[in-house]
Amino acid sequence: AQTIHQWPVAEIKAVGSPLSLGCTIKGKSSPNLYWYWQATGGTLQQLFYSITVGQVESVVQLNLSASRPKDDQFILSTEKLLLSHSGFYLCAWSLRGRRDTQYFGPGTRLLVL
Amino acid sequence: GDSVTQTEGQVALSEEDFLTIHCNYSASGYPALFWYVQYPGEGPQFLFRASRDKEKGSSRGFEATYNKEATSFHLQKASVQESDSAVYYCALSDLDSNYQLIWGSGTKLIIKP
Repeated sequence: AQTIHQWPVAEIKAVGSPLSLGCTIKGKSSPNLYWYWQATGGTLQQLFYSITVGQVESVVQLNLSASRPKDDQFILSTEKLLLSHSGFYLCAWSLRGRRDTQYFGPGTRLLVL
Repeated sequence: GDSVTQTEGQVALSEEDFLTIHCNYSASGYPALFWYVQYPGEGPQFLFRASRDKEKGSSRGFEATYNKEATSFHLQKASVQESDSAVYYCALSDLDSNYQLIWGSGTKLIIKP
């Protein structure tokens, strides 16, 4: 069975500080991977997707970047946090097709002060 | 571009009531349509999907039927329980959407005990 793990579970960070969030998928070879952001009480906004190692496409950047250093790992980062980065960050995976179902991880709660 | 409209921001029902949450979409061709459920503090969970006209998706007592003529995919459940309290999202994925899920704004379901 596939498992998806996100770390950390939650973070409190200062404006202007760097950020790195991680996501690992186990039990599925070469999945598509996705990063989403969700404001409190808001809908989901897709940020990035990756269909293979080393390749990441941006949907909405929000002054964030993403990388896929391994087949089962997806990283979201920024060098300088903004207040607007607060929210819930979700990693998701799907099979290879363009219309395949996306399955979500437990999320990381970020508060920027 | 493609879009998904959920007209109800919030629905309040009593236990054993019949539930309908409306979802209409705008897309060219035949998008895949999805329902997800999100409980507080968790990532969205996939409920079910449908990919062609008149196909019915179902899971956990919830169901929806793909209606291409009406461009709808309304979520229904015959008898809701308190444990169904959550936010429900309708989404679509199209061959032209480049690995993106297009999300509705979500409907918060409140079940009064």
